[in-house]
Amino acid sequence: AQSVTQLGSHVSVSEGALVLLRCNYSSSVPPYLFWYVQYPNQGLQLLLKYTTGATLVKGINGFEAEFKKSETSFHLTKPSAHMSDAAEYFCAVSPYNFNKFYFGSGTKLNVKP
Amino acid sequence: NAGVTQTPKFQVLKTGQSMTLQCAQDMNHEYMSWYRQDPGMGLRLIHYSVGAGITDQGEVPNGYNVSRSTTEDFPLRLLSAAPSQTSVYFCASSLGQGSLGEAFFGQGTRLTVV
Repeated sequence: AQSVTQLGSHVSVSEGALVLLRCNYSSSVPPYLFWYVQYPNQGLQLLLKYTTGATLVKGINGFEAEFKKSETSFHLTKPSAHMSDAAEYFCAVSPYNFNKFYFGSGTKLNVKP
Repeated sequence: NAGVTQTPKFQVLKTGQSMTLQCAQDMNHEYMSWYRQDPGMGLRLIHYSVGAGITDQGEVPNGYNVSRSTTEDFPLRLLSAAPSQTSVYFCASSLGQGSLGEAFFGQGTRLTVV
């Protein structure tokens, strides 16, 4: 069985501050991990993904995430928040054949001026 | 480049009515899936398909049917709508291993059952 836990349903940061969104997973096999972003009234857009290779993954819009197997974590970070980063972020895990995804409950990021 | 197209965008149903949510993709993707999004619960998998003629249940399949007669289309049928099915529904498609996993999502269908 696979599951994803996102700590903090709402995170608020000031513009220019560090963004840290937490994701922990449980999986009986090595998972593939993803972060998606959802802007209001839109579908989900892929930010970044970890499948194999380097554990520090860089994505779009300056985001990155690090896969830590020992901690079963895949936290999302960005050094300096922009107002345009305000959105809901979802962590997801997929089995090796990518036929389905299991999503966390989401974290809404608010960026204050 | 249309990607994944869902229709309708909004729908209001009365309890007991049936309807079909349409999903079409033009990327020749093998895998397609349906999710529902509810506040505080993320996206939950309803049904998925790994190719034409092959479907399987996800986490929350009760009250929904699917079929996959073509690669392009993956409709979701609500047999007898209930207020608990009020949600936002997303269809997604992916190449599977060939794309190393990226799923493409439609814009969603916001369904209200009264």
